[in-house]
Amino acid sequence: DTGVSQDPRHKITKRGQNVTFRCDPISEHNRLYWYRQTLGQGPEFLTYFQNEAQLEKSRLLSDRFSAERPKGSFSTLEIQRTEQGDSAMYLCASSLAQDSGANVLTFGAGSRLTVL
Amino acid sequence: AQKVTQAQTEISVVEKEDVTLDCVYETRDTTYYLFWYKQPPSGELVFLIRRNSFDEQNEISGRYSWNFQKSTSSFNFTITASQVVDSAVYFCALSAWGGYQLIWGAGTKLIIKP
Repeated sequence: DTGVSQDPRHKITKRGQNVTFRCDPISEHNRLYWYRQTLGQGPEFLTYFQNEAQLEKSRLLSDRFSAERPKGSFSTLEIQRTEQGDSAMYLCASSLAQDSGANVLTFGAGSRLTVL
Repeated sequence: AQKVTQAQTEISVVEKEDVTLDCVYETRDTTYYLFWYKQPPSGELVFLIRRNSFDEQNEISGRYSWNFQKSTSSFNFTITASQVVDSAVYFCALSAWGGYQLIWGAGTKLIIKP
């Protein structure tokens, strides 16, 4: 297994356009997470899936953001009508579910979004 | 509410010096997990350690060691005999027991000069 893969690595778009990021987790991992990281800050939680079910979505996430994980494998994160404030690194991570939660996350290299 | 504070924004030391990165956390939970992750210049976050709130024993892994003190709500990270390859941003994070969301500090940028 090559780890968590994210695509594209970089995306430059104009304000108002839609963008979609893809994440392929480690194959045996049933949990998948999306985080957002801006310069000089720690990652900020966006959403979380267990298998195909989206179990939690951050209250900070606007309705322009949507994530899916069909069939519990890869996941997509779509941002509609992008704004300059959406410029950030979008990180995907995966983990195995454990009874106590607080899993060890394996992160991808991230997808950097620049909105002009 | 949960919060993680890494007061040191940037630390610069000369190679072979020891360096300690501070992490202070806030939580009302009695059971929780603490983490350290490393983010090298390549950008990919790498897991270093997870510690549960029941275990206050210090941990050592090679040149890395961690000091967990519940009395001061701190989980500090020490690198002994630092090397240039240790240069990275280091993040401390907190999670509730049974939780799935990590609360992250702002990170400490560590620069090791040759």
